[in-house]
Amino acid sequence: AQRVTQPEKLLSVFKGAPVELKCNYSYSGSPELFWYVQYSRQRLQLLLRHISRESIKGFTADLNKGETSFHLKKPFAQEEDSAMYYCALSRGGADGLTFGKGTHLIIQP
Amino acid sequence: ETGVTQSPTHLIKTRGQQVTLRCSSQSGHNTVSWYQQALGQGPQFIFQYYREEENGRGNFPPRFSGLQFPNYSSELNVNALELDDSALYLCASSTVGGHEQFFGPGTRLTVL
Repeated sequence: AQRVTQPEKLLSVFKGAPVELKCNYSYSGSPELFWYVQYSRQRLQLLLRHISRESIKGFTADLNKGETSFHLKKPFAQEEDSAMYYCALSRGGADGLTFGKGTHLIIQP
Repeated sequence: ETGVTQSPTHLIKTRGQQVTLRCSSQSGHNTVSWYQQALGQGPQFIFQYYREEENGRGNFPPRFSGLQFPNYSSELNVNALELDDSALYLCASSTVGGHEQFFGPGTRLTVL
């Protein structure tokens, strides 16, 4: 069965510092990987997905199949980045998303 | 464009009771998925509905069941409630084969 691991429950960095939220997955096939974000009092929403290879709000994530990782990075953190971040995997089809437990990112002023 | 809506926002039930949660999908979306999010955990996939039929299911017992209606709205039914069913229940809609799921605000279920 597939699994997504986010090793950090909480990550606190200062504004302007680089941010890296870690995500590792286990799946024998070719998964689709996503990062979802939940800002305070808002619903869960898609931040980015690996197939689009785009940068959203300054965040990027590269799929490393050798290390089975999909870490989320941003070179300069902003206070509005404070939120709950979930890494998710899809096997495609009707299997739904498999989520990690999430990382609470706090950007200190 | 109307987003995903869920009702009710909160509800409290006692062990052994049955509950029905409702979801209206985003305009233009024909696929609905349900997730359970326990406190401190990520969402867990319950099942997905397309064309009024369940076409994918996670590791949940049969007392979790659902429906999808011709207008693509959906219900999640849970029978014989257990204390561990206390969680936030999220509904997400998408187009078939779509890569992005759009989530509703959730229904907070407390089982006493």
